[in-house]
Amino acid sequence: QVQLEESGGGVVQPGGSLRLSCAASGFTFRNFGMHWVRQAPGKGLEWVAFVWNDGSNEYYADSVKGRFTISRDMSQNYLYLQMNSLRPEDTAVYYCAKDASALAGRQDYWGQGTLVTVSS
Amino acid sequence: EIVLTQSPATLSLSPGERATLSCRASENIRKYLAWYKQRPGQPPRLLIYDASNRAIGIPARFSGSGSGTDFTLTISSLEPEDFAVYYCQQRSNWPPLTFGGGTKVQI
Repeated sequence: QVQLEESGGGVVQPGGSLRLSCAASGFTFRNFGMHWVRQAPGKGLEWVAFVWNDGSNEYYADSVKGRFTISRDMSQNYLYLQMNSLRPEDTAVYYCAKDASALAGRQDYWGQGTLVTVSS
Repeated sequence: EIVLTQSPATLSLSPGERATLSCRASENIRKYLAWYKQRPGQPPRLLIYDASNRAIGIPARFSGSGSGTDFTLTISSLEPEDFAVYYCQQRSNWPPLTFGGGTKVQI
């Protein structure tokens, strides 16, 4: 069955960096686009970033553009989110999610999430 | 950016009752709306995609309808596990993908 397991969350100071990882299994990783979606404490869902199935293109929310980079390792079935210049408003649970196809724009499986806290 | 407005913010119902949740888009999104359910401490789960298609493993008591700018999620008879927060999401014109603010269905 599809499994997505995030790691790499933690506490970081404003202006700092963090890299999140997502280990994917149970499906043919190279055939599907992948998303990061976040949820601030007690708040709703916010889409963060998407990478095409072949890794050739990426999309970002305006709130993270220029600071975050999504990437994927096809050989290891990993998804990453490099987060730089972190701000307190980036504090959230970050979910890795599988797209329903290469570029469907909907998430059919989600990981359990990893918490990122940006605080001094 | 397409804005999705969900109503009501909170719905107070009893098990066995019918729940009707609304999602309105700021512009025409055709049929490209999904619904997700999230229970406390859990990730979201896809319920409905493209307005009316149930995702794998979703019970028949969940149904979706609508097109254009107005959409509805109906839960025909609430089970205890249905008390949760429900989000709509559009994929008609992305990026960005956008979510509604959520409707909490509580006992």
